[in-house]
Amino acid sequence: NAGVTQTPKFQVLKTGQSMTLQCAQDMNHNSMYWYRQDPGMGLRLIYYSASEGTTDKGEVPNGYNVSRLNKREFSLRLESAAPSQTSVYFCAGGSSGRYNEQFFGPGTRLTVL
Amino acid sequence: LAKTTQPISMDSYEGQEVNITCSHNNIATNDYITWYQQFPSQGPRFIIQGYKTKVTNEVASLFIPADRKSSTLSLPRVSLSDTAVYYCLVGDGAIIQGAQKLVFGQGTRLTINP
Repeated sequence: NAGVTQTPKFQVLKTGQSMTLQCAQDMNHNSMYWYRQDPGMGLRLIYYSASEGTTDKGEVPNGYNVSRLNKREFSLRLESAAPSQTSVYFCAGGSSGRYNEQFFGPGTRLTVL
Repeated sequence: LAKTTQPISMDSYEGQEVNITCSHNNIATNDYITWYQQFPSQGPRFIIQGYKTKVTNEVASLFIPADRKSSTLSLPRVSLSDTAVYYCLVGDGAIIQGAQKLVFGQGTRLTINP
């Protein structure tokens, strides 16, 4: 039982390049989330998916797209990376058993040059 | 979600009890108080949640006064491994179309010294 896993752990991109961050969970969560965390700051919600096949914008969606192809996997895509997207990205799965409880992955540290 | 205010940073020493207070003056009747812990280079981890009075688990205690406008996370006998950022969140956990949106502030950076 791995919980929430993310790949890659680290990535360096040049401005304008694209990439997809992968997230998978084996905890049978219906909802999944993508956050970004800038240095010294709290997490901000980028996109979320309430259930398989549905996605919605969070607080800071610009420059990102997401895909929830099945219950386990929720990917985040940067179509044209910008230096402002340098951040640590966390994926989370939501518990339906307790208020406000989410389970986070280990994060992807992305640097855009 | 209700806005919370907590100290930016705190320092303590091994073996001490640490209390981190969070202010949430606009808490709503249905809101729960939830604390997360984040170690360096890791995602946040749920540690405790409460509605009123006192809640205790194997990690921490949470004290909530009757007016619920603040709460205090208490970590007994801290060790170096308790060095982390602690986030206080307030919300009713309402599942809107199947999702719960969490709002993280800056948190409290707790440093435990030998």
